[in-house]
Amino acid sequence: DQQVKQNSPSLSVQEGRISILNCDYTNSMFDYFLWYKKYPAEGPTFLISISSIKDKNEDGRFTVFLNKSAKHLSLHIVPSQPGDSAVYFCAAQEGYGGSQGNLIFGKGTKLSVKP
Amino acid sequence: EPEVTQTPSHQVTQMGQEVILRCVPISNHLYFYWYRQILGQKVEFLVSFYNNEISEKSEIFDDQFSVERPDGSNFTLKIRSTKLEDSAMYFCASSDGISNQPQHFGDGTRLSIL
Repeated sequence: DQQVKQNSPSLSVQEGRISILNCDYTNSMFDYFLWYKKYPAEGPTFLISISSIKDKNEDGRFTVFLNKSAKHLSLHIVPSQPGDSAVYFCAAQEGYGGSQGNLIFGKGTKLSVKP
Repeated sequence: EPEVTQTPSHQVTQMGQEVILRCVPISNHLYFYWYRQILGQKVEFLVSFYNNEISEKSEIFDDQFSVERPDGSNFTLKIRSTKLEDSAMYFCASSDGISNQPQHFGDGTRLSIL
């Protein structure tokens, strides 16, 4: 059961360039999508989210794009910095009405930003 | 910035023993969760808790597991009669329940069953 899929286990990018992390989902009931960043020996840290009524949300260097018809979202990091090196998890949740639903996670993409 | 804290960071237990994993959620949050991540696998939802009762649980959360909010600050996950396959990272999370506000995670407890 892979309702949320991150097909690239790893991504390597040069410092200053754009990082694009991709995520696909199958459940059309998902209404809220999140990206978490995880460093070793730490818990997932919330990065940015988007609700299904939007197609783009931006926060500083981070932008999330949602294509509902394709059931696809992506996280863009511009410019990438070495401190961005971490595992990035895509997560999805049913129900727009609140944040109390359980999150369904992808397997993660390990981003390495090289100086 | 307020954070979710979990103790212990690492727990080693003999198979068949009971373990209690502890969490202190963010103080004004109302919803509490447990997730786990077996090595090399996805983060998986176990249970959510609101208003002193379980609001949702996954198939993983069977009779071996229980949760409790014993006082105004702690949220615990108890695993009775642990099995080798319970070895995993266990993450606690909390949220305020407001629309489009994220769940915030603790740093996890690494549970090793011998």
